[in-house]
Amino acid sequence: SQTIHQWPATLVQPVGSPLSLECTVEGTSNPNLYWYRQAAGRGLQLLFYSVGIGQISSEVPQNLSASRPQDRQFILSSKKLLLSDSGFYLCAWRGSDRVLTEAFFGQGTRLTVV
Amino acid sequence: QKEVEQNSGPLSVPEGAIASLNCTYSDRGSQSFFWYRQYSGKSPELIMFIYSNGDKEDGRFTAQLNKASQYVSLLIRDSQPSDSATYLCAARSGTYKYIFGTGTRLKVLA
Repeated sequence: SQTIHQWPATLVQPVGSPLSLECTVEGTSNPNLYWYRQAAGRGLQLLFYSVGIGQISSEVPQNLSASRPQDRQFILSSKKLLLSDSGFYLCAWRGSDRVLTEAFFGQGTRLTVV
Repeated sequence: QKEVEQNSGPLSVPEGAIASLNCTYSDRGSQSFFWYRQYSGKSPELIMFIYSNGDKEDGRFTAQLNKASQYVSLLIRDSQPSDSATYLCAARSGTYKYIFGTGTRLKVLA
């Protein structure tokens, strides 16, 4: 069966520091991968998605970036964090098979920028 | 801007009652719709998905889709206190994107 791992679970970072969040998927090949952010009391905002290695689509212009160095690895980065980057970051995957269209989430990373 | 709209709630129902959660979507081209449950501090968990007009039942849950009205709903029968959570409605827009509503908070009162 497929599983998704996301780490760390919680993170407290000072303003201006760099960020790297990692997500890996097991048990599937060529998944579609997603990064979402959920601010306190708000909905899920799509940040990036990827349909293959090195292929990144950005949805929201900001100081975040994403990379997909391997088929089942998705990384969210920032060179300098802002206070507004605080939130719950969620990685999600879905199969590349057109029949399987449900997206499944990792456990999330709660980021607090101080 | 393609959107999915939900009433934020809270929706309070007594234990054993039917909870009815609704959402509307703006992208008429959306073909797939999803309901996720999110407990406080946790990540969303998929409950149901529906692609065709009409009803789809899974245990205590029934998803309903009306594409003409651009309306999706989730019914939870025999509501339990453990059903208390935020329910997120999502629509797949295009091939890859999932657009989420802000969620409806459900409280089941024991």
